[in-house]
Amino acid sequence: QSVLTQPPSVSGAPGQRVTISCTGAITNIGTGYEVHWYQQLPGTAPKLLISANTNRPSGVPGRFSGSKSGTSASLVITGLQAEDEADYYCQSYDNNVRGWVFGGGTKLTVL
Amino acid sequence: QVQLQQWGGGLLTPSETLSLTCGVSGGSLTGYYWSWIRQSSEKGLEWIGEINHSGGRNYFPSLQRRVTMSVDTSKNQFSLTLTSVTAADTSVYFCVRQRGEEGFDIWGQGTRVTVSS
Repeated sequence: QSVLTQPPSVSGAPGQRVTISCTGAITNIGTGYEVHWYQQLPGTAPKLLISANTNRPSGVPGRFSGSKSGTSASLVITGLQAEDEADYYCQSYDNNVRGWVFGGGTKLTVL
Repeated sequence: QVQLQQWGGGLLTPSETLSLTCGVSGGSLTGYYWSWIRQSSEKGLEWIGEINHSGGRNYFPSLQRRVTMSVDTSKNQFSLTLTSVTAADTSVYFCVRQRGEEGFDIWGQGTRVTVSS
């Protein structure tokens, strides 16, 4: 049971928009800790996709965007492409756990 | 371009000690925290702990009594030791650079660790 809750899977057709949610609590996202998003392609290490809620590291396409509100955060992918098929994870800090925590991950399928 | 290259791990029997090392190339240990994160199908991604260049450490509380992290600035590398391993420690282990409130931005290639009798 992950501290941050994500849907196990989402899907969309090429060109569509998908949203992946990350639900936390007052002890993590709700306290004001930043939320980061990672993309993991099969057999590879996670890659930082969105930093500090909304920032795209250099090289990340503009079709990826992030937001945060209250105790939740969201990753939005617009103009879906086949290469976006991957697992996506959110991450933040939790005061109860006293450490960095991750969501359980969301598998994105491009139809 | 900073890169992380990790080594160690492999097949362990229960109660043995896991040792992993991560070498940093293209940059310095100074100014960052360096973490170990593991990933299994049962628990997903799990942060183990972090260390900085001067030895400041934070460990995940549930692993704290079994974890030790160290840093060797002369070799530009840092290490993880996990004692008394069980099957629950079977995972892929990653060494990672942490940019404070900006997330984990550079990851090692991952090392598979299997604990089995």
